[in-house]
Amino acid sequence: DIMMTQSPLSLPVTPGEPASISCRSSQSLLHSDGNNYLAWYLQKPGKSPQFLIHLGSNRASGVPDRFSGGGSGTEFTLKISRVEAEDVGVYYCMQALQAPFTFGPGTKVDIK
Amino acid sequence: QVQLQQSGPGLVKPSQTLSLTCAISGDSVSTNSATFDWVRQSPSRGLEWLGRTYYRSQWYNDYAESVKTRITINPDTSKNQFSLQLNSVTPEDTAVYYCTRSYRWAYDVWGQGTMVTVSS
Repeated sequence: DIMMTQSPLSLPVTPGEPASISCRSSQSLLHSDGNNYLAWYLQKPGKSPQFLIHLGSNRASGVPDRFSGGGSGTEFTLKISRVEAEDVGVYYCMQALQAPFTFGPGTKVDIK
Repeated sequence: QVQLQQSGPGLVKPSQTLSLTCAISGDSVSTNSATFDWVRQSPSRGLEWLGRTYYRSQWYNDYAESVKTRITINPDTSKNQFSLQLNSVTPEDTAVYYCTRSYRWAYDVWGQGTMVTVSS
């Protein structure tokens, strides 16, 4: 199985400031079709994970444009341009290159 | 708008069978363009994929190695839903269980989650 790691595991943020989360995979997620099979999720307290980004950088419908995904191969980044209070929760990356899809351990984002 | 609605008991005795159902609205369990999966979440294991069912001219199932001797996922086309059965449960199976749809290389829709506790 492909192993996923994230850093940091905890990220205190200030509203209005940017934030960045890193994700690494144990093998390249870049497919021969040119896509990186990497997705991002946000799990708000007490809720199910919600879909943010797939194929490395494509935002899901309704996701604010302050969220952006980047990177390629084995290193990826989720950036929030200006954090809002509603962005708190745990962020997960997930590889979708090969079954079973596997998740990172999560990065907990909270307000300073 | 696709929605998944989970149902099933929140308490199961050790050695018995955990059974959950996921009702689908806004899509069909028989679609050729998605899979329907079960994922669980616990503090010790994080988010863990358990298995999936999908239709591609015939029905297929895939299961995680960690549970493959104990798990069954079945589609029910008459009710447009799918189910999870996990046999011989132990306290290590205590977790929040989610049903989810995999579409275009992501889990884009999730059920509300069911906290299942294995305890006598």
